[in-house]
Amino acid sequence: KAGVTQTPRYLIKTRGQQVTLSCSPISGHRSVSWYQQTPGQGLQFLFEYFSETQRNKGNFPGRFSGRQFSNSRSEMNVSTLELGDSALYLCASSFDGQSNGYTFGSGTRLTVV
Amino acid sequence: AQSVTQLDSQVPVFEEAPVELRCNYSSSVSVYLFWYVQYPNQGLQLLLKYLSGSTLVKGINGFEAEFNKSQTSFHLRKPSVHISDTAEYFCAVSDINSGYALNFGKGTSLLVTP
Repeated sequence: KAGVTQTPRYLIKTRGQQVTLSCSPISGHRSVSWYQQTPGQGLQFLFEYFSETQRNKGNFPGRFSGRQFSNSRSEMNVSTLELGDSALYLCASSFDGQSNGYTFGSGTRLTVV
Repeated sequence: AQSVTQLDSQVPVFEEAPVELRCNYSSSVSVYLFWYVQYPNQGLQLLLKYLSGSTLVKGINGFEAEFNKSQTSFHLRKPSVHISDTAEYFCAVSDINSGYALNFGKGTSLLVTP
């Protein structure tokens, strides 16, 4: 059974640019969540998508957005990048996004210069 | 509001010694509790989870944790660690008030030396 696949693994972007990250969940999982990991703030929840609808949202500015497609694949977009957006972005998939727990991908390491 | 506290940022231990990584949480409702491990340059791997039922939970790689509702704790234990257990360990809690999003502690770095 394939795990959660995130692409690309590494990205370097310039301040002010925008970026799109991709996540393919485990087959059959309908919930996809995104987390940001930084040394200073730790792991923080960005948002969750379930059946193509945003079901839950963390405390991040509107520059962070996402979407989910009918095959459950999800994309996350960050516009007008800031240096502070440099982080490891982790995608997690779950069958129901509740009690089953989450399976995480290896992450996308974003560096903003 | 919900919160998670991992009491130790770093835990050094010798190979084959026992270890306990501490985690305390606060929540006004019933919670689900998780322990994840992260190896360098990788994502998070689920070690074990508590949803309900028996308060002693057994996970992968010989780890176990005990849910203590009165002390609002969920400490992780392993009776004998290996060099390969060196990693970052995260405790996480979710509940209905957070929409079941995972709220993570700051992590505990476990360093196992020969």
